[in-house]
Amino acid sequence: EADIYQTPRYLVIGTGKKITLECSQTMGHDKMYWYQQDPGMELHLIHYSYGVNSTEKGDLSSESTVSRIRTEHFPLTLESARPSHTSQYLCASTDLGGRQETQYFGPGTRLLVL
Amino acid sequence: GENVEQHPSTLSVQEGDSAVIKCTYSDSASNYFPWYKQELGKGPQLIIDIRSNVGEKKDQRIAVTLNKTAKHFSLHITETQPEDSAVYFCAASNFGNEKLTFGTGTRLTIIP
Repeated sequence: EADIYQTPRYLVIGTGKKITLECSQTMGHDKMYWYQQDPGMELHLIHYSYGVNSTEKGDLSSESTVSRIRTEHFPLTLESARPSHTSQYLCASTDLGGRQETQYFGPGTRLLVL
Repeated sequence: GENVEQHPSTLSVQEGDSAVIKCTYSDSASNYFPWYKQELGKGPQLIIDIRSNVGEKKDQRIAVTLNKTAKHFSLHITETQPEDSAVYFCAASNFGNEKLTFGTGTRLTIIP
């Protein structure tokens, strides 16, 4: 099983709150990703990073922001949460030096904004 | 960009029978095709993958076939067991792109 961790696993917050979803991996992987998974199961890429100080927007527009100050850490922040942000957020990572294509996923954070 | 279609969206099979999930892709440059299994409350986990230089790959009860000409690939699960119940995703990417395009998922239910 991949060593990629997400906290919290579940979060219920009120509208307007600022939240940060944590993602850490201990595999030394260069590339990391954030996906949003809607109730219909589909995975949407919202952010990715090639390495430290690199952040890119994904295919789905998102009001969230990310940072990559350390290789192992890729947090996602919502400055002002809204009910439309209710979803499951999945973090993943890839080893650019190894099996470049294989993405390893964390367990996810299920967010509910009231 | 790449577009991946996955069918069916739900599938119920009797325990012991076989299950087949099919995906088609649009970008002929795609050359890597993984399958992920997502169990309830967990993130997707890679179960098998195939590259475009082979037509079939097998790992115990699961197998994947690839038809590059038709641009489709399939997951086959034989002798299904209750623990096979999960959501399965196919995906495609172009080597060096490192971005996977996922299918919309298939919810597989194994009926005891």
